[in-house]
Amino acid sequence: KQEVTQIPAALSVPEGENLVLNCSFTDSAIYNLQWFRQDPGKGLTSLLLIQSSQREQTSGRLNASLDKSSGRSTLYIAASQPGDSATYLCAVTPGSARQLTFGSGTQLTVLP
Amino acid sequence: EAGVAQSPRYKIIEKRQSVAFWCNPISGHATLYWYQQILGQGPKLLIQFQNNGVVDDSQLPKDRFSAERLKGVDSTLKIQPAKLEDSAVYLCASIRDLTYNEQFFGPGTRLTVL
Repeated sequence: KQEVTQIPAALSVPEGENLVLNCSFTDSAIYNLQWFRQDPGKGLTSLLLIQSSQREQTSGRLNASLDKSSGRSTLYIAASQPGDSATYLCAVTPGSARQLTFGSGTQLTVLP
Repeated sequence: EAGVAQSPRYKIIEKRQSVAFWCNPISGHATLYWYQQILGQGPKLLIQFQNNGVVDDSQLPKDRFSAERLKGVDSTLKIQPAKLEDSAVYLCASIRDLTYNEQFFGPGTRLTVL
């Protein structure tokens, strides 16, 4: 059974810092990995999707990497801003049904 | 293009009562998912539909939960009777079909069972 773990559970940083969020998964046989952002009381917003054949994806200040063999992904946020404060969720797609298995998330607070 | 719509946004009920949630996926999306997100946890899949058929309901507590997607468009999820541990956010997501990768999520329905 696929399990996804995210460390740390919570992170507080001052504005302007670069930071890394970690995600690990137990079964390397995945179709893709996705990073989401969740604001309080809101649904999930997709940030980056990395297909199993890819190593990384970039969007603006965000960069996500994938190492399938070690079962790890990182989300790098450059020059953090208070508006980046949210919970970040990592999810893998284990099979062709495209169902998502989520980690418990990292709650990020960026202090002004 | 309109996103995934869900209603109601919030619902408070007492235990043993019934409740229903509604989801309208993005137009043309054949695959629809319901997830349950308990506070402090990631979402967990409850059921997956492909058009109006169930693909996977292995994690749906069928003694109290039911879901349908009769015309292959919108879907309802029902809980009867509700328990305290059903307090959660219920998220609906859709994907165009299984050749696509990205799921789109609705805003969720926050259920509180007292």
